[in-house]
Amino acid sequence: QSALTQPPSASGSPGQSVTISCTGTSSDIGGYNYVSWYQQHPGKAPKLIIYEVIKRPSGVPDRFSASKSGSTASLTVSGLQAEDEADYYCSSYAGSNNLRVFGGGTKLTVL
Amino acid sequence: VQLQESGPGLVKPSQTLSLTCTVSGDSISNSEYYWSWIRQHPGKGLEWIGYIHSSGHSYYNPSLKSRVITSADTSKNQFSLRLSSVTAADTAVYYCAGEAWPYYFDYWGHGTLVTVSS
Repeated sequence: QSALTQPPSASGSPGQSVTISCTGTSSDIGGYNYVSWYQQHPGKAPKLIIYEVIKRPSGVPDRFSASKSGSTASLTVSGLQAEDEADYYCSSYAGSNNLRVFGGGTKLTVL
Repeated sequence: VQLQESGPGLVKPSQTLSLTCTVSGDSISNSEYYWSWIRQHPGKGLEWIGYIHSSGHSYYNPSLKSRVITSADTSKNQFSLRLSSVTAADTAVYYCAGEAWPYYFDYWGHGTLVTVSS
């Protein structure tokens, strides 16, 4: 059982927007602005797409945006493209044990 | 920056899993990074194992702490993972990664599948 809770699946049609939630507690997401998101295509390593809750690394399209409210973080993919079909994982620092925790992942399907 | 895991793909129960990560394009002496291990059980999510820093400091997931040791060889620009007393529950794809400040994994290896089986 993962420390952070994500919906197992999400879907949308090309051009639409989809939001994926990631729920934690006051010990992780709610306590720190250290949420990151990763995209993983089948058989590939995860790729960083968001860090420090809202920041995008260079090269990541601005179609990817994120936010946080309380102990829930969210990733929004706008203008869905076929290449966005992948698994998405959230992660947070959980300071009480210097832990890094992950969500169980959300499989995004582009219909 | 590229990371590449190496090590046996099959380990017997009760033995020790040993993996090495070779880093190119940056030095593991770079104090800006925490050189980390993360695993992914088949069809499951990600689990943080721990890290080693250029200062020599290591920190591990409490759930694995009693069985994990990380080390680094700066002359080879490599860092390593040893996980003892493995069981089938340790079967997973193991990734090495570079964690940047603050607390995000910037670089990832391709991952290596380790199966625990007799």
